[in-house]
Amino acid sequence: EPEVTQTPSHQVTQMGQEVILRCVPISNHLYFYWYRQILGQKVEFLVSFYNNEISEKSEIFDDQFSVERPDGSNFTLKIRSTKLEDSAMYFCASRGQPGNGYTFGSGTRLTVV
Amino acid sequence: TQLLEQSPQFLSIQEGENLTVYCNSSSVFSSLQWYRQEPGEGPVLLVTVVTGGEVKKLKRLTFQFGDARKDSSLHITAAQPGDTGLYLCAGAGAGGTSYGKLTFGQGTILTVHP
Repeated sequence: EPEVTQTPSHQVTQMGQEVILRCVPISNHLYFYWYRQILGQKVEFLVSFYNNEISEKSEIFDDQFSVERPDGSNFTLKIRSTKLEDSAMYFCASRGQPGNGYTFGSGTRLTVV
Repeated sequence: TQLLEQSPQFLSIQEGENLTVYCNSSSVFSSLQWYRQEPGEGPVLLVTVVTGGEVKKLKRLTFQFGDARKDSSLHITAAQPGDTGLYLCAGAGAGGTSYGKLTFGQGTILTVHP
């Protein structure tokens, strides 16, 4: 069964530091996403990426956030200057054609101290 | 903004009982998906329903999409302890401008006691 792979599984960083969360989506998928889940809260949409550009982003996804798909394989989420409130589980997801289900990775737990 | 209200938030039942989880919205979704999420893991897709009125069965789980594509239900027959977990509904936005952004419900934590 194809998987979405996320690394690292857990990252601890100091407030103000930059972090890069990495994802390897399923190889023939076309749509890529980042979601986050703050402890005890709903899973929230951050950004979608299609055809090598951002297709939609939420209010959470401000100038501190960026995404890249540098080599056609990896899909990264960068947070430039982390805040305490960025502490959450970050999930990468991908899907093939519209109407297909999504495959989520196991997540990266980001802890900002 | 599309919101999905999922209920109940917690459900604790005995093995063998039936249960239903509901997701409701005032918005129309192009599709509705149900996921199960284990602690420390990502959501795992159970089913996608696309057509209004659609019913899908997955062993003892029955999923239904409302006629107006605004609500959905998950019914489990004869629940077993292995069904224990967090169940999430998620709607994909209607309209061509949405690239499949999912709106999640709050989740239902199901506990099935032996």
